[in-house]
Amino acid sequence: AQKVTQAQTEISVVEKEDVTLDCVYETRDTTYYLFWYKQPPSGELVFLIRRNSFDEQNEISGRYSWNFQKSTSSFNFTITASQVVDSAVYFCALGINFGNEKLTFGTGTRLTIIP
Amino acid sequence: DTGVSQNPRHKITKRGQNVTFRCDPISEHNRLYWYRQTLGQGPEFLTYFQNEAQLEKSRLLSDRFSAERPKGSFSTLEIQRTEQGDSAMYLCASSTIGTPSSYEQYFGPGTRLTVT
Repeated sequence: AQKVTQAQTEISVVEKEDVTLDCVYETRDTTYYLFWYKQPPSGELVFLIRRNSFDEQNEISGRYSWNFQKSTSSFNFTITASQVVDSAVYFCALGINFGNEKLTFGTGTRLTIIP
Repeated sequence: DTGVSQNPRHKITKRGQNVTFRCDPISEHNRLYWYRQTLGQGPEFLTYFQNEAQLEKSRLLSDRFSAERPKGSFSTLEIQRTEQGDSAMYLCASSTIGTPSSYEQYFGPGTRLTVT
């Protein structure tokens, strides 16, 4: 069975600080995909990134960066120079069977950026 | 390119009534998924379709729930004899295969169901 753990329930940081959201996953499959989604107060889940299990390169997209480490089964997400618009609930998710079937989500981390 | 749309956005119903939700995926996407999200939790998978074929159903999907995608385009999710425990946000997502963005599921705004 697959499991995703987001141990941080809520995080608050002051604007312009950097913040890292943790994600730990469990699966016996050797091929899998990891995702991050953002759910702002409006409620719609917004896709941020997908990583393949065979590609451990870290990725940077603007102020966002992701650190994938298979050795620790972690896929952490860092926001640099946070902004108020980053306030949202962030979900980490795991997909197996080439990622086209169900996603298993963590319970989310509520991030509040204080102006 | 319009995103995934869902209707209605909100539904309030009395216990025991039947409800039906609709999802229109992104037009070129051949896979469609239904999830349920309760307060403070992540979405939980319910079922998914590839074109018109329903390929997997979660054990969460009791016999009161039925989903269809008759022409491989829009999908409906029906809940019969609703119970208060069915109150949740019902999310639809779609994805494509065979392209660089394969395996990426894009979500609609959801239908919030309240059973009184």
